[in-house]
Amino acid sequence: DIQMTQSPSSLSASVGDRVTITCQASQDISNYLNWYQQKPGEAPNLLIYDASNLEAGVPSRFSGSGSGTDFTFTISSLQPEDIATYYCQQYDDLPLFTFGPGTKVDLK
Amino acid sequence: VQLQESGPGLVKPSQTLSLTCNVSGDSVIRGGYYWSWIRQHPGKGLEWIASIYNSDSTYYNPSLKSRVSISVDPSKNQFSLKLTSVTAADTAVYFCAKDPAYGGTHYFDCWGQGTLVTVSS
Repeated sequence: DIQMTQSPSSLSASVGDRVTITCQASQDISNYLNWYQQKPGEAPNLLIYDASNLEAGVPSRFSGSGSGTDFTFTISSLQPEDIATYYCQQYDDLPLFTFGPGTKVDLK
Repeated sequence: VQLQESGPGLVKPSQTLSLTCNVSGDSVIRGGYYWSWIRQHPGKGLEWIASIYNSDSTYYNPSLKSRVSISVDPSKNQFSLKLTSVTAADTAVYFCAKDPAYGGTHYFDCWGQGTLVTVSS
């Protein structure tokens, strides 16, 4: 099975800061990597699919990059409404979908 | 498309957990979609449980495969999850979700609000 790791597990940042989260797969998953945002008490919300494609309606301050085993998720300018936990998810190992452990982002 | 989970919030140990996801805005027998269940243990991350494709192709997380089944009810435009022999470790928020599987790309673009299921006597 493919294992996903994320770092950091949590971070604190100020409004306007650039925030970067990394996700690493235990083996090559090409670009089969998605990113979700989950706010407390809510379902996850798809932000990025196939490593770098922005889902329709998602603000452009969110972006993703990477391929193979190493991926990066960036918020270019953190907004108060971005406070949430962010998860990566691989689908190279179909039909088994695997999520990363999550990165909690809060305000400094 | 909107998804809404329903089912008991409390299940006794060793019993069967049964949940239903009502689909509105699209047909549950629409070809090409993977209708899925995902759970989240309290304060923890997300775990994919199962998916059903084209109403009859089913896929299960190997860690749960011996206890789980997923099915579709076209007459009610719903899909369902059954998890047998539950223990406290199955206490979680259960989400239903849709994977449109466009052009071989897979992601969950629509989720239900989630329903908390507690396993306790």
